[in-house]
Amino acid sequence: DAKTTQPTSMDCAEGRAANLPCNHSTISGNEYVYWYRQIHSQGPQYIIHGLKNNETNEMASLIITEDRKSSTLILPHATLRDTAVYYCIVRVARGAQKLVFGQGTRLTINP
Amino acid sequence: DSGVTQTPKHLITATGQRVTLRCSPRSGDLSVYWYQQSLDQGLQFLIQYYNGEERAKGNILERFSAQQFPDLHSELNLSSLELGDSALYFCASSVEAGYETQYFGPGTRLLVL
Repeated sequence: DAKTTQPTSMDCAEGRAANLPCNHSTISGNEYVYWYRQIHSQGPQYIIHGLKNNETNEMASLIITEDRKSSTLILPHATLRDTAVYYCIVRVARGAQKLVFGQGTRLTINP
Repeated sequence: DSGVTQTPKHLITATGQRVTLRCSPRSGDLSVYWYQQSLDQGLQFLIQYYNGEERAKGNILERFSAQQFPDLHSELNLSSLELGDSALYFCASSVEAGYETQYFGPGTRLLVL
């Protein structure tokens, strides 16, 4: 699986959009970008995933650059409950069962 | 709530002991994954079972073993426990065995004294 690079920490004001970047310059054509988050010591929570098109669900939007070497997770209206560690994971479409977690980005939402 | 359940939530035991962690996957999911999260190693994949059969293995210690039962629940057995085994243990499940999204349980916090 391709390696990802994320900032160690970020801050965002409550009510504003939180934009979390992820670099995955060695991504292959059959690899998906997944985002999970972990609030305190709870189980990781699935957020969203995509291959090459931008994706949106009720939690967030995922913007993948045209060359697929980087992506941005957008939380449109961050709340205090969005304070968590966010993990960007690149994963092949088939065959790779495990998720490889890096250090993630510690996002703090400030009131 | 992901639909994945794990018991117990907390476990305190002594070195040299053996414990069993239990996981029930989401309804309909055939694959179960076990992950360990310690302070120094982060979240690490241990092992996967699919419909009762071992499918993939990570850096799981020989002292650790797992199985998945016909009703699809899984158990992770940790034996000859050491202080360094203190960690959060998470179970995840997915529909099939490949690229599907994994949904995680709330975890079991193990403390070895």
